[in-house]
Amino acid sequence: AQKVTQAQTEISVVEKEDVTLDCVYETRDTTYYLFWYKQPPSGELVFLIRRNSFDEQNEISGRYSWNFQKSTSSFNFTITASQVVDSAVYFCALSEAFTGGGNKLTFGTGTQLKVEL
Amino acid sequence: EAQVTQNPRYLITVTGKKLTVTCSQNMNHEYMSWYRQDPGLGLRQIYYSMNVEVTDKGDVPEGYKVSRKEKRNFPLILESPSPNQTSLYFCASSLTPVFPGNTIYFGEGSWLTVV
Repeated sequence: AQKVTQAQTEISVVEKEDVTLDCVYETRDTTYYLFWYKQPPSGELVFLIRRNSFDEQNEISGRYSWNFQKSTSSFNFTITASQVVDSAVYFCALSEAFTGGGNKLTFGTGTQLKVEL
Repeated sequence: EAQVTQNPRYLITVTGKKLTVTCSQNMNHEYMSWYRQDPGLGLRQIYYSMNVEVTDKGDVPEGYKVSRKEKRNFPLILESPSPNQTSLYFCASSLTPVFPGNTIYFGEGSWLTVV
């Protein structure tokens, strides 16, 4: 069965520090997608990235970068030069091609990131 | 504007009083789904629908019902709410049900408290 583990429950950093949020997944499928979402205190889910299982290239978007490694089943998220506005809960999620539930997302338990001045 | 709209956004209700959380999407999506979010558990799927009149249980369906009579609407029904259903609920939709790379659109969430 699919599973997503975010072992870091809470991380606190000082502004301008770099921070990496870990995500480890389990799946039997060869075709799957990985996602990251941000949930600010207001509660909505903000889509950050989608990555398919055949594309292991790292991605950078501004201060955000993602490291996808199939060999270790990890999809880690790094924020460079963190800012207070980055404070949120971050979720990693997995979607598989041939598992019941349609386009079901299996979420990790989330990492609460606190960025302080 | 592409939207998934949930109502109510905030609700405090009493144990046993039936309630419905509505969900509507304006993108002609086939697939719709409900999740609940609880501290330390992340989001878990409650029910999903592949298309009109096609619904199925997710991982945590107990205590909930759904219906899909129209493509755009997918209400979540709590026939007899209990305090353990206090949670943040999200409705989601995507174009088709079987492509895992579909963009998934989430509603803004409904905060439900059962006392």
